[in-house]
Amino acid sequence: GQQVMQIPQYQHVQEGEDFTTYCNSSTTLSNIQWYKQRPGGHPVFLIQLVKSGEVKKQKRLTFQFGEAKKNSSLHITATQTTDVGTYFCAALGGATNKLIFGTGTLLAVQP
Amino acid sequence: DGGITQSPKYLFRKEGQNVTLSCEQNLNHDAMYWYRQDPGQGLRLIYYSQIVNDFQKGDIAEGYSVSREKKESFPLTVTSAQKNPTAFYLCASSIPPSSTQYFGPGTRLTVL
Repeated sequence: GQQVMQIPQYQHVQEGEDFTTYCNSSTTLSNIQWYKQRPGGHPVFLIQLVKSGEVKKQKRLTFQFGEAKKNSSLHITATQTTDVGTYFCAALGGATNKLIFGTGTLLAVQP
Repeated sequence: DGGITQSPKYLFRKEGQNVTLSCEQNLNHDAMYWYRQDPGQGLRLIYYSQIVNDFQKGDIAEGYSVSREKKESFPLTVTSAQKNPTAFYLCASSIPPSSTQYFGPGTRLTVL
């Protein structure tokens, strides 16, 4: 079945450093969504990308969808301790309309 | 307030007992989902329902059962056949066909 791979699994940064997580699929995706899960919490929707090459920004977060619609990235500029959590990408699973979640990237930010 | 509620937040059961986790939403969403999350892991789909009185197995349905008698409710039963039931269980809902999924706060189940 379709798989969505996410790297890295874990990243530890100093506050103020940048952070990027990458999401890759072997198949073309119709769209991609990003979610954030704070420690002990539940996933919360951040954004959805639909168009090839699309770039969207939310304050210090920049989301990109690859030209071939097979990969995506989330970049955080100048991390803060409030950015701590696990970031998941998710894509529609073909004809089933299920969301396939990536394995997630756990971000730790040291003050 | 609109949203998804899951109860209880923490649940302890003895091995061999069935347990039912509640999930209720007042968002008027047609689709509902159950995921399992193990420590340091991603989300694995257990069951999903796109409409009332209909549901499909996800990737790890063995040992679980669901019902969807009402649009608002999608309870999950963890049966004694589930070999490793201790996990964090998340319920979500959405408006098909694609769309954002809205998650409940989750239930942490511990089987002793």
